[in-house]
Formats: sequence, structure tokens, C-alpha cells
Amino acid sequence: DTGVSQDPRHKITKRGQNVTFRCDPISEHNRLYWYRQTLGQGPEFLTYFQNEAQLEKSRLLSDRFSAERPKGSFSTLEIQRTEQGDSAMYLCASTYTGSRVSGEEQFFGPGTRLTVL
Amino acid sequence: KQEVTQIPAALSVPEGENLVLNCSFTDSAIYNLQWFRQDPGKGLTSLLLIQSSQREQTSGRLNASLDKSSGRSTLYIAASQPGDSATYLCAVPTDSWGKFQFGAGTQVVVTP
Repeated sequence: DTGVSQDPRHKITKRGQNVTFRCDPISEHNRLYWYRQTLGQGPEFLTYFQNEAQLEKSRLLSDRFSAERPKGSFSTLEIQRTEQGDSAMYLCASTYTGSRVSGEEQFFGPGTRLTVL
Repeated sequence: KQEVTQIPAALSVPEGENLVLNCSFTDSAIYNLQWFRQDPGKGLTSLLLIQSSQREQTSGRLNASLDKSSGRSTLYIAASQPGDSATYLCAVPTDSWGKFQFGAGTQVVVTP
């Protein structure tokens, strides 16, 4: 078990381009979260999945953002027509839970640092 | 709406001194609280998870206390070392699905 992994670790893109990030959760973790973190702030929730089902999307996630988790394994986060305001660290976390009650530890990946020029 | 506050925003201590980091939350109906460490430009490393039914949790030099009624958690780090220099974040789930609300963190510098 190597923990949560994210790819790429860094991405530099020009405004208007599309980017896609990948997150591989810890094996058998059925819940996966995406967060965004800007400098000097704590991470902000974007969206999460229970298995392959996307349960909630934050208002931070405009229609330019889309996330998927096919087959309940890895997840991708795509940003279309990037803007300079999208520059941030994108973090993925996972946990295993057999019930609706939230008591389990969440494990975070190393993040993807996005810079939009 | 749950709000999480961490004060101070930054802290500098000499090596060997004990660290006391504070986390406040506005809604006491929490499931748990998790403390993380973040090194510059890196992801979050889980330090301690304290369940709502617990008063404290310990791991090595780290001890976290939880007082739900007053909406506070404190992370104690004994005998600080330069390697403890990092930003420390606390987070509480805002719903039963574990969606976290984070504080802005306390940046700690331990000087040799």
C-alpha cells in the first residue's frame, strides 16, 4: 500500500487550455474527495464520490470543472478553458467506510500544483 | 455553517520547547476532528484522528484534546524539534459523508 497518489505533481498551462488530473486512492477505499488549496489557506471541498457515484459538488466547482470515478477506482478532475484563478493545489483524499457515519481517518495525496499563465 | 479557526496563524519557538496549537469550531455537533501536517508545497499528512466520543488521542510526542462543548481542540507537541517545522491544520466533517471544513492552519517554525 503506497498511499494516495496523484498525477501529475505539477502542471503549467496557458489560459484557455484544458487540463486533467488523476487520483489513485488507497486500495479498497470506497470514498474519494477532491479539495482545492490556495496559498495561505486551508483546503476547500470541491466534490466527493462514494464508489463511482458523485454525491455532491461544491459551488466552487463551476461548469468548467468535471470529475469522474469510473468503476469506483481512480478519479479524474478535468478543468476546461482554464483561467488564472484556477491556479491552486488540487488535493485528493480517500477513506474507507462501511456506513454513513463519518468516523474514519482521511488520507491525502501529494497534490497537483496547477499554474495557469 | 461550520467555521473552523486556528490561532495563532504563525508561531516560532526554540528547539525543546513544547508546542500548543489551537483549533476552534462553531458547531459542536461533530463526528470527529483530524489534525494534519503540511510541509511547503506538499500534501497533507494525517497526524491524529480524534472521535467525538473521545477526550484525547496520543501518538508519540503528539497529544490532541477535544472539548466539544466549548468547540475546541488542542494539539500538543512535546519537546519540539526543527523537523517539526511545518503548517498544522485541523479539520472537522461538516456532514456524515466526511466533507471536511479546514482551518487556515498554524505555521510553526522551530529554531535550533
